[in-house]
This record gives sequence, structure tokens and C-alpha cells, in this order.
Amino acid sequence: GAVVSQHPSWVICKSGTSVKIECRSLDFQATTMFWYRQFPKQSLMLMATSNEGSKATYEQGVEKDKFLINHASLTLSTLTVTSAHPEDSSFYICSAADRRSNEKLFFGSGTQLSVL
Amino acid sequence: AQTVTQSQPEMSVQEAETVTLSCTYDTSESDYYLFWYKQPPSRQMILVIRQEAYKQQNATENRFSVNFQKAAKSFSLKISDSQLGDAAMYFCASVSGNTPLVFGKGTRLSVIA
Repeated sequence: GAVVSQHPSWVICKSGTSVKIECRSLDFQATTMFWYRQFPKQSLMLMATSNEGSKATYEQGVEKDKFLINHASLTLSTLTVTSAHPEDSSFYICSAADRRSNEKLFFGSGTQLSVL
Repeated sequence: AQTVTQSQPEMSVQEAETVTLSCTYDTSESDYYLFWYKQPPSRQMILVIRQEAYKQQNATENRFSVNFQKAAKSFSLKISDSQLGDAAMYFCASVSGNTPLVFGKGTRLSVIA
């Protein structure tokens, strides 16, 4: 079945640095990918919709200058957390829709970001 | 806008017994999909079952089945013959058209040996 690869699985960084998270669809093309954030014991909160070849659509309250999304190809979307702060520490998950499978969504394995 | 409501923050079931997780949703769309996802401690999101709104027949996947009541906008998940490996967070979700997947707040299921 379709696979979405997300890297890194976990990352620890210092305050003020930037962190890039990659999301790849391994065996299908994904014109749209989604980025979610999940706090402990809570549900997934949509941050933004990543569209190949165009600007991402951000949800209300999500700073687009803080969370930079690039969807440069049909198989890769990246989320860069810029000037990270401890409050950005969270679990980030990407997902991609496989159009061949009638809108089935496949999820990456997530990235745990810890900002010191 | 779509909304998904899971009113049971936690549920428990004895091993081999049956449990039902509740979910209600609201949407103005006529064409939509409903899902149940499982998130074990590894935090990998795993698709459990999927229902197309235009299909009247309830979806079934082995020990997992749904009770889809379109008029009532209800989409409950039944797990039969519960196993220890079923213990996880379960999220109900819906999507329509090009809108992103909307999740409920989740239900934590414990399975008691």
C-alpha cells in the first residue's frame, strides 16, 4: 500500500534555531499534503494544507512566517519551524492523499520536536 | 464547516468482549467520507475503517464494523472480540471534497486482560 515517509522521527534543538521536517510520498504522487500538530493526550490539529507548486494554506492562528511550508515536488513537502521556542515543542504529523485510492489519506510516522 | 464529536474521552473493555465507540458529525456536504483511525503508543496513525456517505451498507473490516446512521449523523465503531493490541487512542474523522480531514477529540480505549 501507499507509504508516507517522515523524517526525522525526533529532533532536539536549541531555542532560536530552525528545524526542517520532511514528508515524502514514496510510491504515489501527492498534489496535496497536510501538516498536523498534536499535543500530549490531544487530537490532531490541522496547521496547514500544502499544495504542490503553490503557497500553503494556513489555518487560523498558525503563523506562516513561523511554520514555513514548501511543496516543491509531487512527492515532497517540508515544514520548517523557524526560530524555534520551547512552546513549539510538539509532535508534528504529515499526511498525503493518494488519489488512486479514492481519497485515502496516509500518515507519516510523525516527528517529536523538543526545543530546549 | 465540518465538525466531529467524540463524547467518550475514555472507554474500557474486557478482552474478548465487544465495545462501541461513539462519534457524531456535522457537515453541509452531501458527499463525504468518514473514518476511524487508531493511534497506538507509537503514535503512528492507522486507518481502521472507512465509510463513503453515499453507501448505505455499513463498512466492515474483520473485527471492526461501523453503525452509520446518516440521518442522525452518527458513525459509531464496534470492536468485536477485543484484543490487548486494540488498546489505543481512536479518532473519528470526516472529509469532503478538497477540505482537510477533521478529527474528533479521540477516545482512549483500554483493554483489560
